[in-house]
Amino acid sequence: AAGVIQSPRHLIKEKRETATLKCYPIPRHDTVYWYQQGPGQDPQFLISFYEKMQSDKGSIPDRFSAQQFSDYHSELNMSSLELGDSALYFCASSDALHRHEQYFGPGTRLTVT
Amino acid sequence: AQKITQTQPGMFVQEKEAVTLDCTYDTSDQSYGLFWYKQPSSGEMIFLIYQGSYDEQNATEGRYSLNFQKARKSANLVISASQLGDSAMYFCAMREGQGGSYIPTFGRGTSLIVHP
Repeated sequence: AAGVIQSPRHLIKEKRETATLKCYPIPRHDTVYWYQQGPGQDPQFLISFYEKMQSDKGSIPDRFSAQQFSDYHSELNMSSLELGDSALYFCASSDALHRHEQYFGPGTRLTVT
Repeated sequence: AQKITQTQPGMFVQEKEAVTLDCTYDTSDQSYGLFWYKQPSSGEMIFLIYQGSYDEQNATEGRYSLNFQKARKSANLVISASQLGDSAMYFCAMREGQGGSYIPTFGRGTSLIVHP
Protein backbone atom coordinates (compact mmCIF):
# COMPACT_ATOMS: atom_id res chain seq x y z
CA ALA A 1 0.00 0.00 0.00
CA ALA A 2 1.17 3.53 -0.73
CA GLY A 3 2.56 5.42 2.24
CA VAL A 4 3.34 9.01 3.06
CA ILE A 5 6.40 10.20 1.19
CA GLN A 6 8.75 12.81 2.55
CA SER A 7 11.69 14.40 0.88
CA PRO A 8 14.47 14.83 1.43
CA ARG A 9 15.13 12.14 4.01
CA HIS A 10 18.20 13.90 5.32
CA LEU A 11 19.17 17.55 5.13
CA ILE A 12 22.15 19.44 6.45
CA LYS A 13 21.99 23.22 6.59
CA GLU A 14 23.99 25.97 8.22
CA LYS A 15 22.64 28.53 10.65
CA ARG A 16 20.57 31.28 9.07
CA GLU A 17 19.97 29.26 5.93
CA THR A 18 16.54 28.21 4.68
CA ALA A 19 15.12 24.75 4.14
CA THR A 20 12.06 23.33 2.41
CA LEU A 21 10.63 19.97 3.38
CA LYS A 22 8.11 18.21 1.18
CA CYS A 23 5.34 15.79 2.03
CA TYR A 24 3.20 13.69 -0.29
CA PRO A 25 0.22 12.21 1.57
CA ILE A 26 -1.34 8.84 0.99
CA PRO A 27 -3.60 9.02 -2.09
CA ARG A 28 -7.12 10.26 -1.23
CA HIS A 29 -5.97 11.59 2.14
CA ASP A 30 -7.08 15.22 2.42
CA THR A 31 -5.40 16.25 5.66
CA VAL A 32 -1.71 16.75 6.31
CA TYR A 33 -0.03 17.28 9.67
CA TRP A 34 3.52 18.39 10.46
CA TYR A 35 5.39 17.39 13.61
CA GLN A 36 8.83 18.15 15.00
CA GLN A 37 10.66 15.61 17.14
CA GLY A 38 13.83 16.77 18.85
CA PRO A 39 16.47 14.25 19.98
CA GLY A 40 15.02 12.04 22.73
CA GLN A 41 11.76 13.98 22.68
CA ASP A 42 8.18 13.16 21.82
CA PRO A 43 6.73 14.59 18.60
CA GLN A 44 5.39 18.12 18.86
CA PHE A 45 2.60 19.23 16.56
CA LEU A 46 3.44 22.16 14.30
CA ILE A 47 0.59 22.75 11.87
CA SER A 48 -2.05 20.95 9.82
CA PHE A 49 -3.98 21.48 6.62
CA TYR A 50 -7.35 20.22 5.48
CA GLU A 51 -8.38 20.65 1.87
CA LYS A 52 -5.55 23.14 1.34
CA MET A 53 -6.61 25.36 4.24
CA GLN A 54 -4.78 25.60 7.55
CA SER A 55 -6.87 23.69 10.09
CA ASP A 56 -4.84 23.70 13.29
CA LYS A 57 -1.74 25.46 14.48
CA GLY A 58 0.59 24.24 17.16
CA SER A 59 4.00 25.32 18.31
CA ILE A 60 5.25 26.42 14.91
CA PRO A 61 7.83 29.24 15.07
CA ASP A 62 7.13 32.39 13.09
CA ARG A 63 10.23 31.59 11.02
CA PHE A 64 8.40 28.57 9.65
CA SER A 65 5.55 28.53 7.18
CA ALA A 66 3.69 25.79 5.40
CA GLN A 67 1.07 25.26 2.76
CA GLN A 68 -0.88 22.52 1.08
CA PHE A 69 -1.16 22.52 -2.68
CA SER A 70 -3.95 21.54 -5.07
CA ASP A 71 -2.53 18.02 -5.40
CA TYR A 72 -2.60 17.78 -1.56
CA HIS A 73 1.13 17.68 -1.15
CA SER A 74 2.49 20.01 1.49
CA GLU A 75 5.69 21.94 2.02
CA LEU A 76 7.22 23.21 5.24
CA ASN A 77 9.43 26.23 4.71
CA MET A 78 11.95 27.05 7.39
CA SER A 79 13.97 30.25 7.37
CA SER A 80 16.76 31.71 9.52
CA LEU A 81 17.58 28.22 10.74
CA GLU A 82 18.88 27.86 14.27
CA LEU A 83 20.84 25.03 15.88
CA GLY A 84 17.74 24.15 17.90
CA ASP A 85 15.83 23.41 14.71
CA SER A 86 17.84 20.22 14.32
CA ALA A 87 15.21 17.51 14.62
CA LEU A 88 13.22 14.85 12.86
CA TYR A 89 10.32 16.40 10.98
CA PHE A 90 7.35 14.17 10.37
CA CYS A 91 4.49 14.60 8.01
CA ALA A 92 1.33 12.58 8.60
CA SER A 93 -1.86 12.27 6.62
CA SER A 94 -5.42 11.13 7.25
CA ASP A 95 -8.69 10.95 5.38
CA ALA A 96 -12.10 12.43 6.18
CA LEU A 97 -13.60 9.17 7.42
CA HIS A 98 -10.71 8.15 9.65
CA ARG A 99 -9.36 11.36 11.12
CA HIS A 100 -8.05 9.55 14.17
CA GLU A 101 -5.76 7.38 12.05
CA GLN A 102 -2.79 9.50 11.16
CA TYR A 103 -0.23 7.70 9.06
CA PHE A 104 3.25 9.09 9.42
CA GLY A 105 5.90 9.43 6.77
CA PRO A 106 9.48 8.26 7.36
CA GLY A 107 10.52 11.75 8.45
CA THR A 108 13.14 14.23 7.33
CA ARG A 109 16.17 14.47 9.58
CA LEU A 110 17.33 18.08 9.58
CA THR A 111 20.73 18.92 10.98
CA VAL A 112 21.65 22.57 11.42
CA THR A 113 25.36 23.26 11.88
CA ALA B 1 0.10 19.13 33.90
CA GLN B 2 1.20 16.29 31.69
CA LYS B 3 -1.73 15.01 29.65
CA ILE B 4 -0.11 11.69 28.81
CA THR B 5 2.12 9.92 31.30
CA GLN B 6 4.28 6.95 30.43
CA THR B 7 6.04 6.00 33.64
CA GLN B 8 8.32 3.34 32.17
CA PRO B 9 11.26 4.92 30.35
CA GLY B 10 12.57 1.46 29.49
CA MET B 11 11.23 -2.09 29.48
CA PHE B 12 12.85 -5.44 28.81
CA VAL B 13 11.04 -8.59 27.78
CA GLN B 14 12.02 -12.07 26.70
CA GLU B 15 11.12 -13.09 23.18
CA LYS B 16 7.70 -14.81 22.97
CA GLU B 17 6.55 -13.36 26.28
CA ALA B 18 3.81 -10.76 26.67
CA VAL B 19 4.58 -7.23 27.81
CA THR B 20 2.42 -4.36 29.03
CA LEU B 21 3.39 -0.74 28.42
CA ASP B 22 1.69 1.69 30.76
CA CYS B 23 -0.08 4.88 29.81
CA THR B 24 -2.26 7.14 31.91
CA TYR B 25 -3.99 10.22 30.64
CA ASP B 26 -5.59 13.35 31.98
CA THR B 27 -8.60 14.99 30.36
CA SER B 28 -11.90 16.51 31.36
CA ASP B 29 -13.43 15.86 27.94
CA GLN B 30 -16.02 13.13 27.57
CA SER B 31 -15.01 12.43 24.00
CA TYR B 32 -11.40 11.63 23.30
CA GLY B 33 -9.22 9.14 21.49
CA LEU B 34 -6.16 7.21 22.56
CA PHE B 35 -3.42 5.98 20.28
CA TRP B 36 -0.26 3.97 20.38
CA TYR B 37 2.60 4.46 17.95
CA LYS B 38 5.80 2.48 17.49
CA GLN B 39 9.05 4.17 16.53
CA PRO B 40 11.88 1.80 15.57
CA SER B 41 15.49 2.97 15.55
CA SER B 42 15.07 3.85 11.87
CA GLY B 43 12.86 6.73 13.01
CA GLU B 44 9.51 6.27 11.32
CA MET B 45 6.33 6.47 13.39
CA ILE B 46 4.05 3.50 12.92
CA PHE B 47 0.38 3.70 13.95
CA LEU B 48 -0.51 0.62 16.01
CA ILE B 49 -3.91 0.94 17.60
CA TYR B 50 -6.71 3.37 18.44
CA GLN B 51 -9.33 3.42 21.21
CA GLY B 52 -12.21 5.87 21.28
CA SER B 53 -13.53 6.97 24.66
CA TYR B 54 -17.00 5.66 23.84
CA ASP B 55 -15.77 2.30 22.58
CA GLU B 56 -17.03 -0.32 25.01
CA GLN B 57 -14.66 -3.04 23.92
CA ASN B 58 -10.89 -2.90 24.13
CA ALA B 59 -9.26 -2.33 20.76
CA THR B 60 -7.19 -5.16 19.31
CA GLU B 61 -4.95 -5.31 16.24
CA GLY B 62 -3.18 -8.61 15.78
CA ARG B 63 -0.71 -9.03 18.64
CA TYR B 64 -1.54 -5.58 20.01
CA SER B 65 -4.37 -4.87 22.39
CA LEU B 66 -5.25 -1.78 24.33
CA ASN B 67 -6.33 -2.35 27.93
CA PHE B 68 -8.69 0.60 28.34
CA GLN B 69 -9.74 1.36 31.91
CA LYS B 70 -11.76 4.54 31.68
CA ALA B 71 -12.33 5.06 35.40
CA ARG B 72 -8.61 4.80 36.04
CA LYS B 73 -7.80 6.86 32.95
CA SER B 74 -5.37 4.27 31.73
CA ALA B 75 -4.75 2.93 28.24
CA ASN B 76 -2.05 0.31 28.51
CA LEU B 77 -0.68 -1.41 25.42
CA VAL B 78 -0.33 -5.17 25.62
CA ILE B 79 1.95 -6.89 23.14
CA SER B 80 1.51 -10.63 23.10
CA ALA B 81 4.21 -13.08 22.01
CA SER B 82 6.97 -10.46 21.72
CA GLN B 83 9.25 -10.60 18.72
CA LEU B 84 12.75 -9.21 18.28
CA GLY B 85 11.32 -6.74 15.78
CA ASP B 86 9.16 -5.26 18.52
CA SER B 87 12.24 -3.54 19.98
CA ALA B 88 11.44 0.15 19.57
CA MET B 89 10.16 3.29 21.28
CA TYR B 90 6.44 3.21 21.96
CA PHE B 91 4.44 6.41 22.28
CA CYS B 92 1.01 6.76 23.80
CA ALA B 93 -1.01 9.73 22.54
CA MET B 94 -4.40 11.31 23.15
CA ARG B 95 -6.68 13.44 21.03
CA GLU B 96 -9.20 15.45 23.04
CA GLY B 97 -12.56 16.81 22.05
CA GLN B 98 -15.26 15.82 19.64
CA GLY B 99 -14.88 16.80 16.04
CA GLY B 100 -12.59 19.63 15.04
CA SER B 101 -9.04 19.06 16.08
CA TYR B 102 -7.57 15.62 15.73
CA ILE B 103 -4.17 16.64 16.96
CA PRO B 104 -2.77 14.13 19.42
CA THR B 105 -0.59 14.97 22.39
CA PHE B 106 2.18 12.44 22.86
CA GLY B 107 3.71 10.99 25.99
CA ARG B 108 7.47 10.81 26.48
CA GLY B 109 7.63 7.24 25.26
CA THR B 110 8.78 3.86 26.54
CA SER B 111 11.79 2.09 25.08
CA LEU B 112 11.12 -1.63 24.71
CA ILE B 113 13.95 -4.10 24.24
CA VAL B 114 13.10 -7.68 23.36
CA HIS B 115 15.77 -10.21 24.33
CA PRO B 116 16.25 -13.48 22.40
